[in-house]
Order: sequence, then structure tokens, then C-alpha cells
Amino acid sequence: DIQMTQSPSSLSASVGDRVTITCQASQDISNCLNWYQQKPGKPPKLLIYDASNLKTGVPSRFSGSESGTDFTFTISSLQPEDIATYYCQQYDHLPWTFGQGTKVEIK
Amino acid sequence: QLQLQESGPGLVKPSETLSLTCTVSGGSISNFYWTWIRQPPGKGLEWIGYISHTGSTNYNPSLESRVSISVDTSKNQFSLYLSSVTAADTAVYYCATWVPNWFDPWGQGTLVIVSS
Repeated sequence: DIQMTQSPSSLSASVGDRVTITCQASQDISNCLNWYQQKPGKPPKLLIYDASNLKTGVPSRFSGSESGTDFTFTISSLQPEDIATYYCQQYDHLPWTFGQGTKVEIK
Repeated sequence: QLQLQESGPGLVKPSETLSLTCTVSGGSISNFYWTWIRQPPGKGLEWIGYISHTGSTNYNPSLESRVSISVDTSKNQFSLYLSSVTAADTAVYYCATWVPNWFDPWGQGTLVIVSS
């Protein structure tokens, strides 16, 4: 299985801060990576697909990028409604696997 | 727009079979792939498997010996069966659409507790 190592596991930032989450794949997955947002008691929601493409309707403060097997998810200006857990997910190889999640809180 | 809704027992006894159904509305099940994903309380996400409308399946090897997914196109439903459950199978179970290549949308999820 491809292991997705996501970091940090949690972070606390102030409103307006730039927030960065990383996901490292255990082997090459090309750009086959998605990012999801999960709020408490709710299902995950797709934010970014194919590493860097923003789903229609998702605020532009969310973005994604890739460099080899390292993937970065960024919130350019953290908003109160962004409090959630974020997951990366690879689909280059079955079984599809997720990162462990990053819980984002407001400082 | 597609909507998915899980249904089934919220409590299953150890060693028995967990059975859940996902009803798809707002579109035909004869498109895309249909998946199950689970999330133990306070933990991360685990992909269980998928089925296509033609019935082709693929399962996570970690569960393959115990899992089965079926589809009923006449009812726009697909179902999950997980046998010989233990407490480790306690989780929120989500159904989701695999629109190559992402999960979207998801159902609201249903909590299944394995306990006697």
C-alpha cells in the first residue's frame, strides 16, 4: 500500500494567517492526490483534486501544489469557518489511501 | 445533483455480518463507481471498496476476505456486507461516489457499533 504521511497532525493559527499542510507519498503517485475538508459530525468534502485543481465553488484561499512525492495544501488567509480536519488521499495505486489528517484550530 | 444516503442497523453483534445500503438520488447509478469508506471514532479514513454499475468490484486487501459490495440498479442502491465483525469494525460508514478520480459527493454517514 502507498503510505501518505501527513503533517502536522494538528495546528493552531490566528484568523488571517497562512496555513500549510504537507503530505508525503511513500512512492511516486504523479499528481494523483486530492484534498478533503471534514468538519465535526459531517462527511468529508472535496476541495482540491489532481493535486492543484480547485473544485468549482471552493474559495480561492485554498490551494494545492506538488513537488515530486511531496504535496502541499495551503489556506492563504485562515477564516473561522475553516476550522476542520483536512485529509489528503492518493488514487494512483489501489488500495486508495488517506493521510492521517490535520486538525486546524483557531488560536 | 447526486445525493447519497446510508441506511442499516446501528448495532451489530460480534461475529455477525454488518449490512448497509446506500440509496442514490438525483442521478442514475449507471454511471461512475460507488464506494464505501469508514472512519473509526476519532480516527482517520479507510477506503473499503468500490463497485461499478456493471458489478465489477475492487476491495481493500485489508478487508477483502470479509467484505462484499453489491449493486441493485433497479433501485438505484448499492450495499456493503462485512462479515465476522469485531469491535475494531466500529466506525462511521460512508458511501461515496467515485467520479474518476475523486470521492464526491459523500453520504452523511452512519455509525455502526459492534457490541453484544
